[in-house]
Amino acid sequence: DAKTTQPPSMDCAEGRAANLPCNHSTISGNEYVYWYRQIHSQGPQYIIHGLKNNETNEMASLIITEDRKSSTLILPHATLRDTAVYYCIVRVAGPGGGADGLTFGKGTHLIIQP
Amino acid sequence: GAVVSQHPSRVICKSGTSVKIECRSLDFQATTMFWYRQFPKQSLMLMATSNEGSKATYEQGVEKDKFLINHASLTLSTLTVTSAHPEDSSFYICSAYRQREAFFGQGTRLTVV
Repeated sequence: DAKTTQPPSMDCAEGRAANLPCNHSTISGNEYVYWYRQIHSQGPQYIIHGLKNNETNEMASLIITEDRKSSTLILPHATLRDTAVYYCIVRVAGPGGGADGLTFGKGTHLIIQP
Repeated sequence: GAVVSQHPSRVICKSGTSVKIECRSLDFQATTMFWYRQFPKQSLMLMATSNEGSKATYEQGVEKDKFLINHASLTLSTLTVTSAHPEDSSFYICSAYRQREAFFGQGTRLTVV
């Protein structure tokens, strides 16, 4: 079973920030939080990952709570092309990690409204 | 650009025939690749781990004789769906790690008629 919990769907207006929550209350100390998204009929696409500090890249920002039991993915200025299913996954990375397949939960279907 | 390429992107086959799907890592070597299956409105489910030069390992409930995996080179893994039936119709996706990051192919939509 997936180790994360996400709302099944969310709506967001185009141009506004989309904030996608994820609960991972059983996360281990060596597990990272990863976010992927899947646009309809395509393979998943990596977005961002983090361990405990907040992270930002050209696509999104990741805010991880201090106790690491939850996180929020932020798309600062959502566009129609951001409509997709967003998956939050916890996994071990670094030496010894990255050799296993990923366990996908149901994700959040984010719909950007014009 | 894409770092993992799948081919074909879409295939329709008759029931009882076999279909081969290719997954290639572009400009990097992948000793391990992963195959997922996704039914409509469902999430990706890991089917098997493809290991270069050795046998694939299959997840529980996945028939190894039906889903043949060959990983003969460091950049190519193939999944062959043998004696396909309509219930095998699905979206098949491969993945490989590059520098410990997972990259996915664009997927193959298989329709068995």
